[in-house]
Amino acid sequence: GAVVSQHPSWVICKSGTSVKIECRSLDFQATTMFWYRQFPKQSLMLMATSNEGSKATYEQGVEKDKFLINHASLTLSTLTVTSAHPEDSSFYICSATRQGQLVYGYTFGSGTRLTVV
Amino acid sequence: AQSVTQLGSHVSVSEGALVLLRCNYSSSVPPYLFWYVQYPNQGLQLLLKYTTGATLVKGINGFEAEFKKSETSFHLTKPSAHMSDAAEYFCAVSEAPGYSTLTFGKGTMLLVSP
Repeated sequence: GAVVSQHPSWVICKSGTSVKIECRSLDFQATTMFWYRQFPKQSLMLMATSNEGSKATYEQGVEKDKFLINHASLTLSTLTVTSAHPEDSSFYICSATRQGQLVYGYTFGSGTRLTVV
Repeated sequence: AQSVTQLGSHVSVSEGALVLLRCNYSSSVPPYLFWYVQYPNQGLQLLLKYTTGATLVKGINGFEAEFKKSETSFHLTKPSAHMSDAAEYFCAVSEAPGYSTLTFGKGTMLLVSP
């Protein structure tokens, strides 16, 4: 079955530094990847949608310059949290799908717990 | 626009009892519907999905859901709860055909007592 690998599982960084989170599709070509943010005891909030080779589409209210998304290949998308601050602490989850093949559904990574101190 | 409503942020059952988690959706086109389970500090695992065809969908771990268009519902059930079923459950909708983003409900925490 489809597998999405997300790394790191958890990261602690100092305020003002940048953190990169990787999302890889291991056994399929992910034409589209999604990045979500989840606050404690809440649902997933879509941050952005990225298509391979194109600029990401950000949801309203999400800062493009703070959350840099790169989807350079069909198997890898990265989310970089730039100049992180404590309010960026959260659980970040990626998911991937094959465009036009929604019957395969969406496959989620295992998530990244970011703590900014 | 699509939306999902999950009734009840928490549902408590005894081990061995029936599990019923409710989900209603709104969609302007025929929907694709999903149920996901999330354990603490983990990603989402697909339980089952409805795309087209048979309206009663069977998933993993003994769960099933029935798509009822007239009621715009996609409730999740399991005949007998197990302690390991305790987790957060999310219902989600995506508009078919083609590709679209997932819209999630707020989630329902299932608590299972011995």
